Amino acid sequence: KAGVTQTPRYLIKTRGQQVTLSCSPISGHRSVSWYQQTPGQGLQFLFEYFSETQRNKGNFPGRFSGRQFSNSRSEMNVSTLELGDSALYLCASSFRVNGETQYFGPGTRLLVL
Amino acid sequence: QQQVKQSPQSLIVQKGGISIINCAYENTAFDYFPWYQQFPGKGPALLIAIRPDVSEKKEGRFTISFNKSAKQFSLHIMDSQPGDSATYFCAASKRGGADGLTFGKGTHLIIQP
Repeated sequence: KAGVTQTPRYLIKTRGQQVTLSCSPISGHRSVSWYQQTPGQGLQFLFEYFSETQRNKGNFPGRFSGRQFSNSRSEMNVSTLELGDSALYLCASSFRVNGETQYFGPGTRLLVL
Repeated sequence: QQQVKQSPQSLIVQKGGISIINCAYENTAFDYFPWYQQFPGKGPALLIAIRPDVSEKKEGRFTISFNKSAKQFSLHIMDSQPGDSATYFCAASKRGGADGLTFGKGTHLIIQP
């Protein structure tokens, strides 16, 4: 089985721009969660999507949003980028909603200048 | 408020030795405690996980010890090998997995040959 794939792997943007990241879960997995990883804050939960609906949300501002498509692929959008948004954005998939066993992709490294 | 505290931040162990990483949690609603291993440029990979009704779980060279009354759990890596050099994260999630995984800040483990 192919693992979780994320595109692009690297991205450079400037402050004020917006960015869209993509995640394809493991085949058969219907839940996709997003996490932000930074040296200072570590790994933090952004949100989880299941059956095209956001089921859970972490403590992030509304500039961070996402969506899920009928094929379970998910996109995450960050609007009005700030320097502090520079991070590794990780996508994780699981078979069920609120699935505890989560499989992570390699991440998208975002640098905001 | 850091809900899962992990120590030490970094650890150097000789090849063949035992690596021990500790975590403490505050939220008694946590019901699932996984450990993840992350290599540079990769996403976290699930190593082993435990629930509070079990005091110890062993998989190969990896063992989780769990102390529910103290709200602490630890990862032991027996016969540590250079290939174990990575960053290790403990995590916790609430019953049913809602609100995603709450991660510790990570331990950078180096196994010296």
